[in-house]
Amino acid sequence: AQSVTQPDIHITVSEGASLELRCNYSYGATPYLFWYVQSPGQGLQLLLKYFSGDTLVQGIKGFEAEFKRSQSSFNLRKPSVHWSDAAEYFCAVGPTTSGTYKYIFGTGTRLKVLA
Amino acid sequence: DTAVSQTPKYLVTQMGNDKSIKCEQNLGHDTMYWYKQDSKKFLKIMFSYNNKELIINETVPNRFSPKSPDKAHLNLHINSLELGDSAVYFCASSQSPRDTQYFGPGTRLTVL
Repeated sequence: AQSVTQPDIHITVSEGASLELRCNYSYGATPYLFWYVQSPGQGLQLLLKYFSGDTLVQGIKGFEAEFKRSQSSFNLRKPSVHWSDAAEYFCAVGPTTSGTYKYIFGTGTRLKVLA
Repeated sequence: DTAVSQTPKYLVTQMGNDKSIKCEQNLGHDTMYWYKQDSKKFLKIMFSYNNKELIINETVPNRFSPKSPDKAHLNLHINSLELGDSAVYFCASSQSPRDTQYFGPGTRLTVL
């Protein structure tokens, strides 16, 4: 069955420190991959996406993610975290050229940033 | 210039009532969605319409009925509300069913 796993429910980092949020997926083929961020009381904002091509993807707000097919992973990184990055982060897999239309979301990782 | 908008933002109601949530997108997208986010932040697809045609209909109670009067609107009507319906409901849209989805701000529904 298709699934997305975000192993870390909570992560706390100090402002200025580097960040890596993990995402693993189980899918029949290489899916489309996404990272979204949800600030408190807000909707989901797209950070970045991977469809094909270069496995290192740049997104907004200084985030990047790397697709590793061999590990079925799509981890999100940021070299220096800002206090405004505190939010909930969701990894998602989406439909490719055939099969289901559904997005499947991970359970989210809540990021806390210490001043 | 809001891309995907939802009304109302908050909805508090009694058990047994019927309520509707409205969604509008001005992106010119063909596909729209409804998601439910529970208290643990788990996000699950409920319905999707493409060009006003239902293409995703997950296992949700038939008290929930989506309606798409045109491609820019997808409303969610809920009959006989139950305590377990309390959640945040998100609308989203995409250019086509396999494209990137863009989300609205959410509607927090509280059933008392």
